[in-house]
Amino acid sequence: QVQLQESGPGLVKPSQTLSLTCSVSGGSISSGSYYWSWIRQPAGKGLEWIGRFYTSGSTNYNPSLKSRVTISVDTSKNQFSLQLTSVTAADTAVYYCARVDFWGGHGDSWGQGTLVTVSS
Amino acid sequence: DIQMTQSPSSLSASVRDRVTITCRASQSIRSYLNWYQQKPGKAPKLLIYAASSLQSGVPSRFSGSGSGTDFTLTISSLQAEDFATYYCQQSFSTPMTFGPGTKVDIK
Repeated sequence: QVQLQESGPGLVKPSQTLSLTCSVSGGSISSGSYYWSWIRQPAGKGLEWIGRFYTSGSTNYNPSLKSRVTISVDTSKNQFSLQLTSVTAADTAVYYCARVDFWGGHGDSWGQGTLVTVSS
Repeated sequence: DIQMTQSPSSLSASVRDRVTITCRASQSIRSYLNWYQQKPGKAPKLLIYAASSLQSGVPSRFSGSGSGTDFTLTISSLQAEDFATYYCQQSFSTPMTFGPGTKVDIK
């Protein structure tokens, strides 16, 4: 059974870059059957889709974040990463990584989530 | 972007009640509609995908229906472990968008 685990700094200063990694075990990130995605959730609020990566190298990002977001993959480590530049307090949230079915677009496996706080 | 709405935003129910949550999309999403359950401090858990397909391991008291713009999640007999927040999500087009959630709590 696939498992995902987010890691990275829990505190980022305003205007700096948020960097998170999702480690995947029990399945290959090179599988053509899935996208690999990031989703976030501010405290007490709903879920926001950040973007996704496919093994072909294609990416899709939320237009609301597009100019600041990069999702990349390290197949040798079976990991994928999120970088979000020029962060503000509005980027404070729990960040989840997820495996998303290529055909249906549903997230069938999620990491436990990691809280990132943007504060000086 | 496709906008997703849910109703009600919250509801109170008792164990063994039948519960229905509605989700509406701002345009047709065919059957690209998924339902998730989220408990406090936990990641969302997939319940239903493609509007009506039950995810493996999810109890059969959960069911989904609908297509186009209007969808429903039904819990046929609410159990204690079902008290949570439920989100719908469209996967028809990017950016994938979620509904605002429906919180189900104990009456």
